[in-house]
Amino acid sequence: EPEVTQTPSHQVTQMGQEVILRCVPISNHLYFYWYRQILGQKVEFLVSFYNNEISEKSEIFDDQFSVERPDGSNFTLKIRSTKLEDSAMYFCASSRDSPFMYEQYFGPGTRLTVT
Amino acid sequence: DAKTTQPPSMDCAEGRAANLPCNHSTISGNEYVYWYRQIHSQGPQYIIHGLKNNETNEMASLIITEDRKSSTLILPHATLRDTAVYYCIVSPSSGGSNYKLTFGKGTLLTVNP
Repeated sequence: EPEVTQTPSHQVTQMGQEVILRCVPISNHLYFYWYRQILGQKVEFLVSFYNNEISEKSEIFDDQFSVERPDGSNFTLKIRSTKLEDSAMYFCASSRDSPFMYEQYFGPGTRLTVT
Repeated sequence: DAKTTQPPSMDCAEGRAANLPCNHSTISGNEYVYWYRQIHSQGPQYIIHGLKNNETNEMASLIITEDRKSSTLILPHATLRDTAVYYCIVSPSSGGSNYKLTFGKGTLLTVNP
C-alpha cells in the first residue's frame, strides 16, 4: 500500500539555523499539507499546497516558513531561522482530488528539536 | 467548521466493541463527519467518514444520528493495537481550496487485555 514518507525522522538543530524537512507524498495525490504537533498538544494545520502554490496557511506559518515542490515527488518545508518554540513533530500529508481532499494520508513525522 | 465534543478518555476490553461518541450539534447540511486516529507519536490515520448514512469499512463503522447532531465510531473487535487518540472532525464536502483538518483533543481509547 502506498504511503507518505518523511525524512529525517529526527532533526536536532541550533536556534537560528535553517532546517529543511522532506516529504514524499503518495504519487497520484494532488494536495499536500504540513501539520505540526508540539509535545502534548493538538495537531495544528500549517499549510496546504495545490497546483504548485499555497492554498492556505495558518497564523503559525509566518515568513520564516516556506514550502516547495522542487520536483515531481518531493514536498519540503523550510524553516529559515529556527526558534526554540519550533520544536515539535512535523507531519506531512497528502490527498487525492475532489471529493477526497479530507481523506488525508499522513507520514510518520519528523521530530524537530531546536536547542 | 462545526465544533465537536468528545469524551477525553474511554476504556475497552480487548475483543469487545469500542463505541466512541462525538457530538456535533452545529453541523450544517454540507458538512461530513470524519474520523481519524493517532497511535502514540505517529501520524494521524484516516479511518472513515460519512454524511448522513451509516458507513462501514474494513476498519470501523460510523453511525450518524438522523438529525446528524451526533455520531458514533464503532470498532467491532478492539485489539491492543487500537489504543490511540481518536478524533472526530467535521468538514465541508468540497468547495474552495482550503482542505485543512482541524484536530481537537480527541478521545484517548485504551484497550485493556
